[in-house]
Amino acid sequence: DTGVSQDPRHKITKRGQNVTFRCDPISEHNRLYWYRQTLGQGPEFLTYFQNEAQLEKSRLLSDRFSAERPKGSFSTLEIQRTEQGDSAMYLCASSIQEQETQYFGPGTRLLVL
Amino acid sequence: SQQGEEDPQALSIQEGENATMNCSYKTSINNLQWYRQNSGRGLVHLILIRSNEREKHSGRLRVTLDTSKKSSSLLITASRAADTASYFCATDGFNDMRFGAGTRLTVKP
Repeated sequence: DTGVSQDPRHKITKRGQNVTFRCDPISEHNRLYWYRQTLGQGPEFLTYFQNEAQLEKSRLLSDRFSAERPKGSFSTLEIQRTEQGDSAMYLCASSIQEQETQYFGPGTRLLVL
Repeated sequence: SQQGEEDPQALSIQEGENATMNCSYKTSINNLQWYRQNSGRGLVHLILIRSNEREKHSGRLRVTLDTSKKSSSLLITASRAADTASYFCATDGFNDMRFGAGTRLTVKP
């Protein structure tokens, strides 16, 4: 247990539905990251926050994806109008500052039917 | 886009043997990290090596970094069945990390 928690751990949804995932980072960590991982691949960066500010978004993050970190603590990742191609493991990580170790949560596995 | 590339893609060894995995990357880095992932689980941080370091040890792990060749290696000595997992190298981008596709290590008891 790294201290980063994610909820839910698994989510099955039908195509076209909206889903929201939550990440609780290690409490003193300023940086929070979201990654997506598909089977047999490494994690791919989606976006990150420095405190409550979202400072970078990957081109992978289409306009159906939105992430927030309203109080600089927990974060949510919402996917609207889900597609089958969104099926993946969504990983959250946090670090105390840039260029330091990122600690990962257990992930949320999404399956879009 | 992914930055690091691990080699080999899969490695199968007997318990007690050493396992070596390699990572190549494309751009300049500040640090390189190795992570382990058991099937269907989150990533566990193993070791971080900075660009001004050449070698680092942690228990049965030894990591080397050659910035001139843009490559790193992870050596696991005296492997155990519990070491069976996927191993990823990750390089720091401007503000994020870039992972390779990983090496799938199987240690047979």
